[in-house]
Amino acid sequence: GDSVTQMEGPVTLSEEAFLTINCTYTATGYPSLFWYVQYPGEGLQLLLKATKADDKGSNKGFEATYRKETTSFHLEKGSVQVSDSAVYFCALRAQTGANNLFFGTGTRLTVIP
Amino acid sequence: SQTIHQWPATLVQPVGSPLSLECTVEGTSNPNLYWYRQAAGRGLQLLFYSVGIGQISSEVPQNLSASRPQDRQFILSSKKLLLSDSGFYLCAWSVLKETQYFGPGTRLLVL
Repeated sequence: GDSVTQMEGPVTLSEEAFLTINCTYTATGYPSLFWYVQYPGEGLQLLLKATKADDKGSNKGFEATYRKETTSFHLEKGSVQVSDSAVYFCALRAQTGANNLFFGTGTRLTVIP
Repeated sequence: SQTIHQWPATLVQPVGSPLSLECTVEGTSNPNLYWYRQAAGRGLQLLFYSVGIGQISSEVPQNLSASRPQDRQFILSSKKLLLSDSGFYLCAWSVLKETQYFGPGTRLLVL
């Protein structure tokens, strides 16, 4: 079945460090891929998405490229800030069927000054 | 613009008590609605989704149920809570199969 495997955390980085959070998926066809972010005490917010192979989603300095050949959608940011501290979830939506999202387990990022 | 509301924000309930969590959406018509649960240390799990009034699909068998009495209202219920029902409950909406947008969530602790 469809699933998402996400890099386990927690991840602790110093401010201005480079961030990579790995995400790989299993799905038939061409799913849509998403990164959601959950700030402390809040619900999930859509961070970025990509709906077809080789698309690059980007927002707030974060980027992720839909790689069909490696079934990956790794999240990157060149210079993290303290305000980026949150839990990041990778998710996919199957190409066909119901509009269900399959989520990874989440990666907690802490950025220290 | 569209807005999604959930309440209460936090809830502490004894085992065996009933539950009712409410979610409402503003600014859109006939949305798809979803209930997810995030258990401690785990990812999100889809519990229910609805494509219209009175239409509920269950993804996980459990002692929870959902109802959609109005177009933009989605309710999660239980007759008797279990300890394992503790978690963070998130409601989400989408237009057809487009991107899902989440509410602020309800943190439920069953004691």
